[in-house]
Amino acid sequence: DQQVKQNSPSLSVQEGRISILNCDYTNSMFDYFLWYKKYPAEGPTFLISISSIKDKNEDGRFTVFLNKSAKHLSLHIVPSQPGDSAVYFCAASFTNTGNQFYFGTGTSLTVIP
Amino acid sequence: NAGVTQTPKFQVLKTGQSMTLQCAQDMNHNSMYWYRQDPGMGLRLIYYSASEGTTDKGEVPNGYNVSRLNKREFSLRLESAAPSQTSVFFCASSELNPYEQYFGPGTRLTVT
Repeated sequence: DQQVKQNSPSLSVQEGRISILNCDYTNSMFDYFLWYKKYPAEGPTFLISISSIKDKNEDGRFTVFLNKSAKHLSLHIVPSQPGDSAVYFCAASFTNTGNQFYFGTGTSLTVIP
Repeated sequence: NAGVTQTPKFQVLKTGQSMTLQCAQDMNHNSMYWYRQDPGMGLRLIYYSASEGTTDKGEVPNGYNVSRLNKREFSLRLESAAPSQTSVFFCASSELNPYEQYFGPGTRLTVT
């Protein structure tokens, strides 16, 4: 059973606007969350992370929000650029049990110039 | 720094054949991982090695074996390939803290 879910397989946004990618998880014991970006024929690259002790983490144009009560996290990209067009994966982990990460199925973002 | 390298990039096998996927990292990371990515399934952890000398099963270990040859290298072996193992395989490495993983470019495997 998928413990981390990305229910939107794709998203299209105009350049300069905000992109919001969503992720839901089922296990309340997850305590660390990450977002990765993947271009075709390449491996995923780390984008931004958040610990469960925080509800927001910001890095330049990228902000991740965590709502623990709703078991929901989101990635905001502002402003969106054509180079942001990629597949975005969220991932969750239990840091006290080692390094097992559970990935969502990905959302394909297209930023239209 | 090459980061994480994987060989081969592409492979076609017949059912029942065996092969080893190689992975190496030059970032001096303690932990290494093998994932498979299938359409609509995201990345699923096959095996991981938290440190040199240790390996543990992930979500989908059946049909695979791994070897942590040294701190740099972590190989994945398919003893008897099956069509269900047609997938893209990614190797990754990380430190224990922070937890972000660095991925290789992937190996695309087709089993006929």
